[in-house]
This record gives sequence, structure tokens and C-alpha cells, in this order.
Amino acid sequence: QVRLVQSGGGVVQPGRSVRLSCAASGFPFSNYVMQWVRQAPGKGLEWVAAIYSDGNNKYYADSVEGRFTISRDNSKNTLSLQMNSLRGEDTAIYYCARDVAGYFDFWGQGTLVTVSS
Amino acid sequence: EIVMTHSPATLSVSPGERVTLSCRASQSASSNLAWYQQKPGQAPRLLIYGASTRATGIPDRFSGSGSGTEFTLTISSLQSEDFAVYYCQQYNYWWTFGQGTKVEIK
Repeated sequence: QVRLVQSGGGVVQPGRSVRLSCAASGFPFSNYVMQWVRQAPGKGLEWVAAIYSDGNNKYYADSVEGRFTISRDNSKNTLSLQMNSLRGEDTAIYYCARDVAGYFDFWGQGTLVTVSS
Repeated sequence: EIVMTHSPATLSVSPGERVTLSCRASQSASSNLAWYQQKPGQAPRLLIYGASTRATGIPDRFSGSGSGTEFTLTISSLQSEDFAVYYCQQYNYWWTFGQGTKVEIK
């Protein structure tokens, strides 16, 4: 069955960095666009970043452009999100998700990133 | 950016009632519209894609309709497990979510 298992996150100081990972299994990972979505505490869902199957095409929300980097390793079935220059407003649960023609059919369990001094 | 707006923000409903949630796009999303359900402490769950196609395993009490800028999610008879927050998402141009509608017990 399709599984997306996330790791990383935690408490990080403003201006510092953290890396999130999402291990995929149960489907041909290299065939799918993959996404990151976040949810600030008590708030709605916000799209963060997307990466196409070959890893060459990447898209970012304006709020994270230039600070976050999405990447994938198709040989290891792993999706990553490198988050630099973190701000308080980046505090959120981050979800990875599988993209099927634009909509997201499977989601990871989520990982909390708290930016605080 | 296509802005998605839900109405209402909160809906108080009794079990067994019919529920209609609305989502409006600031510009056409064609039929590239999905609905998700999210319960506290859980990841979102895909309900509907293509504006009206139920995802695998979704009960037929959930139905979606609309195209362009106006979309609706209907729950024909609300069950206890349906109390949750519902989000629409357009994927016609990049990806954006609405702010959600919370369906709570009346």
C-alpha cells in the first residue's frame, strides 16, 4: 500500500535551518509529482512547494521562495525539504503529499516545525 | 494566484441533515477542483477530485459539483464521523487551498 513516512522537524531558532524528509513506498515514486503543504497552528492548509518526477522542475510559494529548497532522490524514494532562514511564521505542521494530476491523493503523517528562540 | 473562498466558515449541523458547502474561485479553475476532509490531529483526506469524482473508498453520501468559479460539496445525510473541516483546492493554475469550512455538531 502507499505509504509516506515523514521525519525531521522540531524546534529551531529563527534564522536557522532544518531539513524534512518523506520516505515513500508502495508505488513507483519516480513517476509522480510530489508536494509539500503546511498548516500553521489552528489555521488552514497552505501549499509550499512542488517537484516534478525528474526533479528538474520545482515550484515554490512566494512565502518560501529563496529560503526553502525541495528535492528528491528517486533511487532512494525520498522527498526532502531544506528550510533555511526560518521565521516565526514558518511554524507549522508540514505534510508531504503525492500529486496525481494536480490533486493530492496520499499524505504523510505530518511533522511539526516550531521556530522559536 | 487563484484565491479560494469558502462559505460559510462554520456550519452547525445535526446528524442526519443534508449539508452543502460552497467554495468560490477568484478566477476560473475549470473542473480542476478537489475537496479534502481533515479531522483534528490527522492529515487531510482526499474526498473529491475533478470537481465531482469521488476518491477511492469515499462513501456515496459525499458528492461534488460545479465548474469555473463556483463549487459545491454536498453531504446527503451527515454521519457522526463527518464532523470535520473541509477544504477545497484548485489545481488549474499552480495549487491553492481555501481557508476551510468547519462542520460542527449543532
